[in-house]
Amino acid sequence: SQQGEEDPQALSIQEGENATMNCSYKTSINNLQWYRQNSGRGLVHLILIRSNEREKHSGRLRVTLDTSKKSSSLLITASRAADTASYFCATDASGSARQLTFGSGTQLTVLP
Amino acid sequence: DARVTQTPRHKVTEMGQEVTMRCQPILGHNTVFWYRQTMMQGLELLAYFRNRAPLDDSGMPKDRFSAEMPDATLATLKIQPSEPRDSAVYFCASGSSLQETQYFGPGTRLLVL
Repeated sequence: SQQGEEDPQALSIQEGENATMNCSYKTSINNLQWYRQNSGRGLVHLILIRSNEREKHSGRLRVTLDTSKKSSSLLITASRAADTASYFCATDASGSARQLTFGSGTQLTVLP
Repeated sequence: DARVTQTPRHKVTEMGQEVTMRCQPILGHNTVFWYRQTMMQGLELLAYFRNRAPLDDSGMPKDRFSAEMPDATLATLKIQPSEPRDSAVYFCASGSSLQETQYFGPGTRLLVL
């Protein structure tokens, strides 16, 4: 079953704009991860934020985590056409098992 | 450049036939996950192994699906007999018990007619 629900399901923006995607989950977690999937490809890990962290940056990516609201957001700044992909949040509530539960994904389209 | 490999990349078969999908995890990774992705259900965990032992296969239909890891370099997922509702993309991912991230293969796109 999916723990994470993402919002919006689809997002279309112009190149150069920022893109924000949100993820909500249901149970306590150890960490939350964001993955990217290009059409026809496997998922690629982008960034991980632990339950005791509130914000994390990696290049043009900024992730926030609010454990009290059980939600996270992924911000992509200065988007490029190459950022067009599906983005998934994944929660790890399993501890040492390293088992992830993936959300339903946000399809991002960046128009040139 | 270490990658997870999966074969075949595409498979078209008829209902009732056996389907075998293979995965080679990244060398040194001791955890292997099998996922199924469909438009309707999204990404679902079917089974996963640690050090070749199955840890959880509760997401897998037991009557027709089986997953094995005969050695550290090969994981297999079998469907027998296959049904049209099994049509999906099947992903293998590997990881380490020392890391939280998973590394995905390119997937096997299965179509059961």
